[in-house]
Amino acid sequence: EDKVVQSPLSLVVHEGDTVTLNCSYEVTNFRSLLWYKQEKKAPTFLFMLTSSGIEKKSGRLSSILDKKELFSILNITATQTGDSAIYLCAVEVSGTYKYIFGTGTRLKVLA
Amino acid sequence: GAVVSQHPSRVICKSGTSVKIECRSLDFQATTMFWYRQFPKQSLMLMATSNEGSKATYEQGVEKDKFLINHASLTLSTLTVTSAHPEDSSFYICSAHGGSSYGYTFGSGTRLTVV
Repeated sequence: EDKVVQSPLSLVVHEGDTVTLNCSYEVTNFRSLLWYKQEKKAPTFLFMLTSSGIEKKSGRLSSILDKKELFSILNITATQTGDSAIYLCAVEVSGTYKYIFGTGTRLKVLA
Repeated sequence: GAVVSQHPSRVICKSGTSVKIECRSLDFQATTMFWYRQFPKQSLMLMATSNEGSKATYEQGVEKDKFLINHASLTLSTLTVTSAHPEDSSFYICSAHGGSSYGYTFGSGTRLTVV
């Protein structure tokens, strides 16, 4: 059975800290891995990763994929209270457009 | 950028009634749309894949007679929760494939409360 697991489930840090969120997957036909941030309503897109070892960066956020070990990490440096959200990892199954979402990591950044 | 409009954003209904949720791609054609359900503090759970012009594909454990999906055009998919019960109260969100280079475009979600 295909599955995507995120860790930790929840995390509380202080502003300025650096956090690393993990996503591991077991998916038969992997196409891509995506990270989303969800605050109150719809998830917002962060990154799409298809190749191993290539880091994607956007401001204080960065992400990398390891297709050999079947995991990805999302790093957030110099965290701010506005980073508080649920971070979702999803794996797209090749040929189906179907995403399998992970369990999510609930991040809370304290001022 | 691509936009998916979902309505209503919030609905309260009485137990036993049916509720229809619409998901519309505004500036692109979506042959495939997805319906998710999200319980508080949990991740998105895929309910079904909606394909234009054909029957939806439901995930294991999702009752197709209870959650009716219709995808009659390239820009509109609807989810009808029939004979709603309090345990159907949840956040329902649709997404459409297409409209962007990075996969899904999500609707804004519908919070359903059944009383």
